[in-house]
Amino acid sequence: GQNIDQPTEMTATEGAIVQINCTYQTSGFNGLFWYQQHAGEAPTFLSYNVLDGLEEKGRFSSFLSRSKGYSYLLLKELQMKDSASYLCAVRGDQGGKLIFGQGTELSVKP
Amino acid sequence: EPEVTQTPSHQVTQMGQEVILRCVPISNHLYFYWYRQILGQKVEFLVSFYNNEISEKSEIFDDQFSVERPDGSNFTLKIRSTKLEDSAMYFCASTEERIGPGFNEQFFGPGTRLTVL
Repeated sequence: GQNIDQPTEMTATEGAIVQINCTYQTSGFNGLFWYQQHAGEAPTFLSYNVLDGLEEKGRFSSFLSRSKGYSYLLLKELQMKDSASYLCAVRGDQGGKLIFGQGTELSVKP
Repeated sequence: EPEVTQTPSHQVTQMGQEVILRCVPISNHLYFYWYRQILGQKVEFLVSFYNNEISEKSEIFDDQFSVERPDGSNFTLKIRSTKLEDSAMYFCASTEERIGPGFNEQFFGPGTRLTVL
């Protein structure tokens, strides 16, 4: 089966760092994606990992361990506008479809 | 910057009616997708489309659903006889490269909110 788990919600303070974890069990693996989704809007791409290790992109970094079926998204210097849902998605095979987790609702407070 | 567009932004229909949701993928993209998101739930894959035919479909995509690329730009999702449980946000997405192990970002459209009464 296909299963992607991430915490339902998290709260953090403006200026701080937050780490959102994602674990997955899928029948295949061809990359893990993180998307940001504001309420009522489309998901927007944040990061992609296919090899183990850390990918850094400005205030956002994403880590992958394929042997552990684990990824995290790290957000630094949090801003109020970072309040959103963060979606972990796995591309299970080369066909391209994305399998999404439930999403983590992040609230950034002053 | 090129973007995926979808129309209408909101569609209200009566149960049993047919609806057609429209998408214009990014012009040089090759693979097209439909996803849906029921309010408060996760984004779910419906169908992928390449070279004028369905590549893959999920269990959700039953005989009531169909997709079409009627011309060189539009990509449509038709629901023949809507049910209350079809109420959701429907997202179209497209990707540029031929599918393989390399990176290819899926660009999502803004979505169509379908409400079935």
